[in-house]
Amino acid sequence: EVQLVQSGGGLVQPGGSLRLSCAASGFTFSSYAMNWVRQAPGKGLEWVSGIIATGFDTYYADSVRGRFTISRDNSKNTLYLQMSSLRADDTAVYYCSKDRSLDHWGQGTLVTVSS
Amino acid sequence: DILMTQTPLSLSVTPGQPASISCKSSQSLLHSDGKTYLYWFLQKPGQPPQLLIYEDSNRFPGVSDRFSGSGSGTDFTLQISRVEAEDVGVYYCMQSIVLPKTFGQGTKVEIK
Repeated sequence: EVQLVQSGGGLVQPGGSLRLSCAASGFTFSSYAMNWVRQAPGKGLEWVSGIIATGFDTYYADSVRGRFTISRDNSKNTLYLQMSSLRADDTAVYYCSKDRSLDHWGQGTLVTVSS
Repeated sequence: DILMTQTPLSLSVTPGQPASISCKSSQSLLHSDGKTYLYWFLQKPGQPPQLLIYEDSNRFPGVSDRFSGSGSGTDFTLQISRVEAEDVGVYYCMQSIVLPKTFGQGTKVEIK
């Protein structure tokens, strides 16, 4: 069974940093692209970032480019999202998701940016 | 960015009746590889989204056959043949032909 278990998140001040993790199991992690998608409170879904299976290529939404960094450790079956220079409008539930099709999702983790 | 537009934004359905959601994209989602990169998700209350339909019309394993997807190019439809109470939530379409992946605004489905 595919499982994506997220950790990290919480309350951070504007301008601060945070790292999210997504531990994968139940599939060959190193064979699949991965993504981060977020959902602001009461709003719809926004794709944030993606990374190919090898980790050599990464992609970002304009809203986070230059502030967020996606990475992966295929030896640990774990996906990361390093977030810096956080702003109030980054407040959202962040989900990791598998493959181009987003066929499986983590449980989500809330990031709140507030002073 | 490709704009995804869903209609209606909300839907109230009697159990056992059909329902239909439309999704229109600002550009064709038909790739040169012959696949159409349009997806449908359902987000039940308090849960992460779950994939229902991939590449326009393929039902994801484990998804009820009451759900079907159709369409081509820029116009797509998700149909629920007989709505059940467990189908309540917000439905999203998404394109994955180019980055950034973009989602429709969501259609909230309620039971009458």
